[in-house]
Amino acid sequence: SQELEQSPQSLIVQEGKNLTINCTSSKTLYGLYWYKQKYGEGLIFLMMLQKGGEEKSHEKITAKLDEKKQQSSLHITASQPSHAGIYLCGGGGSEKLVFGKGTKLTVNP
Amino acid sequence: SAVISQKPSRDICQRGTSLTIQCQVDSQVTMMFWYRQQPGQSLTLIATANQGSEATYESGFVIDKFPISRPNLTFSTLTVSNMSPEDSSIYLCSVFREYNEQFFGPGTRLTVL
Repeated sequence: SQELEQSPQSLIVQEGKNLTINCTSSKTLYGLYWYKQKYGEGLIFLMMLQKGGEEKSHEKITAKLDEKKQQSSLHITASQPSHAGIYLCGGGGSEKLVFGKGTKLTVNP
Repeated sequence: SAVISQKPSRDICQRGTSLTIQCQVDSQVTMMFWYRQQPGQSLTLIATANQGSEATYESGFVIDKFPISRPNLTFSTLTVSNMSPEDSSIYLCSVFREYNEQFFGPGTRLTVL
């Protein structure tokens, strides 16, 4: 079965610093989704990538999918306390998504 | 995007009781998905709810424990039956929209004592 590994598991950065979260799949992905979750709450959709080499940006967050469609990165530029939360990647084929365990991001002011 | 609401947002229940969680979507969708997120864990798909047919359950989940209803194209319910503390989780419903974007509801945080 397909598995998604996220790294790091947790990350603490100073406000204003850049950071990268990685997501690696054991199999080629049909699509790769990034979500943000605040503790104990639902998931906020950030971005979806489908094509190898694709890159999308929204405000200060950029996500990339590699050419082989097995690895994705989420990059945050000039982090702010509002970026704090748990970032989850999800991916797979058809409509059944498998999720990584999440990366907990803390941004210190 | 999609507007998805869930009720209740959270609940504390006694062992052996059942809880029904409601999910309402702002427009018609063919499939609705129910996920579980146990404490400190990632999301696991419980079942796919199709309107007009039986829900499709993933390995490890059974209808007797998690009965699902899908009376129309904008609404679904998930019941967690005969609860035990191991059922304490966040339960989320989800739908796909155009361009294969998947959106989630705000979740129902369940604690079983």
